[in-house]
Amino acid sequence: GDSVTQMEGPVTLSEEAFLTINCTYTATGYPSLFWYVQYPGEGLQLLLKATKADDKGSNKGFEATYRKETTSFHLEKGSVQVSDSAVYFCARQNTGGFKTIFGAGTRLFVKA
Amino acid sequence: DTAVSQTPKYLVTQMGNDKSIKCEQNLGHDTMYWYKQDSKKFLKIMFSYNNKELIINETVPNRFSPKSPDKAHLNLHINSLELGDSAVYFCASSQATNEKLFFGSGTQLSVL
Repeated sequence: GDSVTQMEGPVTLSEEAFLTINCTYTATGYPSLFWYVQYPGEGLQLLLKATKADDKGSNKGFEATYRKETTSFHLEKGSVQVSDSAVYFCARQNTGGFKTIFGAGTRLFVKA
Repeated sequence: DTAVSQTPKYLVTQMGNDKSIKCEQNLGHDTMYWYKQDSKKFLKIMFSYNNKELIINETVPNRFSPKSPDKAHLNLHINSLELGDSAVYFCASSQATNEKLFFGSGTQLSVL
């Protein structure tokens, strides 16, 4: 079945370091791809999305590019802040589908 | 106003009891969902409803019974609670397929 695989955490970085969180997805159909972020004690909220190959989603300094040839949607940020500490989820949703499938989540800790 | 609200936020109960979690969205969305998040943060879809009709039931035990009295509400009733039901349950909604999900803040269920 459809799945999303993302790198295991936790990832611990110092403030202003470069962040990459890897994500790959199963290539069935033409999925839309998402990154969600979950802060402690809260629900998930959308960080960015891309709906077709070569699209780049971006928000709050985070970016991810929909790579069909490598079935990847890696999340990057050039300079992380302590406030970016959270759990990040990669997700896919099939065209016309009612099911969004999430990766296992990657916890990010950013130290001052 | 909270877009997706669910109650209660915390639920502590004994094995064998029956409990309900309520969810309401004021976004005018057609589609609502229940997700279960385990202690390792893994997020798995349970149910998806579109216009009050059940679309997805992800092999959830029939002790779990969702009910959608109208498009704005999706409640979850759980019979004969088991230890393994302990988790955080998230309600979510979306305008249409291929659109982002809006999550509630979660209900932490602890079965003792």
